[in-house]
Amino acid sequence: ETGVTQSPTHLIKTRGQQVTLRCSSQSGHNTVSWYQQALGQGPQFIFQYYREEENGRGNFPPRFSGLQFPNYSSELNVNALELDDSALYLCASSTRTSGRYEQYFGPGTRLTVT
Amino acid sequence: AQSVTQPDIHITVSEGASLELRCNYSYGATPYLFWYVQSPGQGLQLLLKYFSGDTLVQGIKGFEAEFKRSQSSFNLRKPSVHWSDAAEYFCAVGIIQGAQKLVFGQGTRLTINP
Repeated sequence: ETGVTQSPTHLIKTRGQQVTLRCSSQSGHNTVSWYQQALGQGPQFIFQYYREEENGRGNFPPRFSGLQFPNYSSELNVNALELDDSALYLCASSTRTSGRYEQYFGPGTRLTVT
Repeated sequence: AQSVTQPDIHITVSEGASLELRCNYSYGATPYLFWYVQSPGQGLQLLLKYFSGDTLVQGIKGFEAEFKRSQSSFNLRKPSVHWSDAAEYFCAVGIIQGAQKLVFGQGTRLTINP
């Protein structure tokens, strides 16, 4: 069973730029969630994708957007980067249909905005 | 609003000693509860989960947790810690509002003294 993978591992961007982070879900999982974890904090829910549509969103501005593809992989896009966007971005996959709600996390992408 | 409180930011215990990490939640409905562990620079690994039934749940790595509805608590325990248990521990409540999302506490950093 393949776990959740994310790319890239690390990324450095300049304020105002745009970034795309990628996630491959665990085999058999059809739902992908994205979380932002600032230094010293717990993860914060950004949004969730199921059947290629966003089905829930946390308190994040529209410049945070995403996609889910037919193979259930996903992208997180952040436009107009701000210094406060520096964080570990975690992708989690789960299976919505079985009633099991646990989410399995990837290793994360460390984004630094300068 | 849903929330999770982990009162202890940092705990230090000696190797071989027992461990209890505290977690309190605020949620109006029956909660789905989780404990995750995060090693430095890594993603989150699921330790254990509570959905319903027996209030004492067993997890991986010798951890267990007890759900106490009357106290809104879900404390994590281990009878004898190992140096490899040093990590950050996060308690989370799973809620369903369209999306199935996790609301995390701020985490407890565990240090093990040799």
